[in-house]
Amino acid sequence: AQKITQTQPGMFVQEKEAVTLDCTYDTSDPSYGLFWYKQPSSGEMIFLIYQGSYDQQNATEGRYSLNFQKARKSANLVISASQLGDSAMYFCAMREVGTGNQFYFGTGTSLTVIP
Amino acid sequence: DGGITQSPKYLFRKEGQNVTLSCEQNLNHDAMYWYRQDPGQGLRLIYYSQIVNDFQKGDIAEGYSVSREKKESFPLTVTSAQKNPTAFYLCASTPRERGVYNEQFFGPGTRLTVL
Repeated sequence: AQKITQTQPGMFVQEKEAVTLDCTYDTSDPSYGLFWYKQPSSGEMIFLIYQGSYDQQNATEGRYSLNFQKARKSANLVISASQLGDSAMYFCAMREVGTGNQFYFGTGTSLTVIP
Repeated sequence: DGGITQSPKYLFRKEGQNVTLSCEQNLNHDAMYWYRQDPGQGLRLIYYSQIVNDFQKGDIAEGYSVSREKKESFPLTVTSAQKNPTAFYLCASTPRERGVYNEQFFGPGTRLTVL
């Protein structure tokens, strides 16, 4: 079974609008971390935001917020006020205490911001 | 400046030749990783190492080899046994403190093309 599932291969959003990128995860470990990364066309992986399994509040970092619904095992990324520079691939990832240092990545969502 | 360096950025090799990709970090991180990324795809784990002189196979280790003789260095050798080595290779590292709640830090990547 896939540990991380991203069901949106491609998304489009109008500049200045908000967009939600979906991510669901599969784990039986009570302790885990969820991460979102941005990969521009240059290929570098840029860390955006993190959510711990025991965190009570949704994580926020500037224009990025994570909509964490633990019971549904979803960790959607919300980007507010989209900018042209937000056009990139976005990857959701998970790390479990039980599997130590291994990270699991989804297949990514390609976001295109339209002017 | 602390970070992860990968060299070279672009690498061309003839079929049947072994090639070694460099990864060096000065972040004093304990764990290091190698990922492979094919066009339009997510990241697949090749090998990872949690401490010096120890490493574990990831999901696609066949045709690859690694060494971890120094904490700062984790070179990846793509051998002639790897059937389709043309891809983008990313190196990453994580610190030990905060355990599973640390994000991965990534290098800029190496694009390998086998002719």
